[in-house]
Amino acid sequence: GENVEQHPSTLSVQEGDSAVIKCTYSDSASNYFPWYKQELGKGPQLIIDIRSNVGEKKDQRIAVTLNKTAKHFSLHITETQPEDSAVYFCAAPLSGAGSYQLTFGKGTKLSVIP
Amino acid sequence: DSGVTQTPKHLITATGQRVTLRCSPRSGDLSVYWYQQSLDQGLQFLIQYYNGEERAKGNILERFSAQQFPDLHSELNLSSLELGDSALYFCASSVGQTSHYGYTFGSGTRLTVV
Repeated sequence: GENVEQHPSTLSVQEGDSAVIKCTYSDSASNYFPWYKQELGKGPQLIIDIRSNVGEKKDQRIAVTLNKTAKHFSLHITETQPEDSAVYFCAAPLSGAGSYQLTFGKGTKLSVIP
Repeated sequence: DSGVTQTPKHLITATGQRVTLRCSPRSGDLSVYWYQQSLDQGLQFLIQYYNGEERAKGNILERFSAQQFPDLHSELNLSSLELGDSALYFCASSVGQTSHYGYTFGSGTRLTVV
């Protein structure tokens, strides 16, 4: 069935290093790719998104790249800080039941070591 | 504060019981989505309502039901509860019918079935 695969499931980096999380999706019709950050005890929060008409989008230390041909997209965090420690989810809209809802990857637990 | 309000924050109940979770969407948003988050299952889509009507169903059990009221708040009803229903339940809202504008999540209801 339609799904979103996310890797790695856990990631530890030293403070100041970069972190990269990758996702692949199966529905070639998908055209919107958000990333969410979930801190302990909170709901997921949208941090950046990209639409299929662009290949890359940046917002300060965060960037997302999209390769529609290969059906994968990645989150890049540069100069990581302890407050970046959280679970990150990628998502894509996958068709189902006549509408489009976001299907989420299983998440990546990022730990930034001071 | 994301603008999406979920109550209660915590709920402890016994097996076989019935509970109701409530969600008020962000002002102006017409769609409400319900997701279940278990420890190893990520965010599983349950059901979507748009402007009072059911739009899409995901992996929602027959013991679960939901509705969206004229004031756009939504309720998720869980009945004949089992231990395996223990999870975080998130509500999200968006402005349109589809997911292409991203979701805003509430802070969730943690359900514990004992």
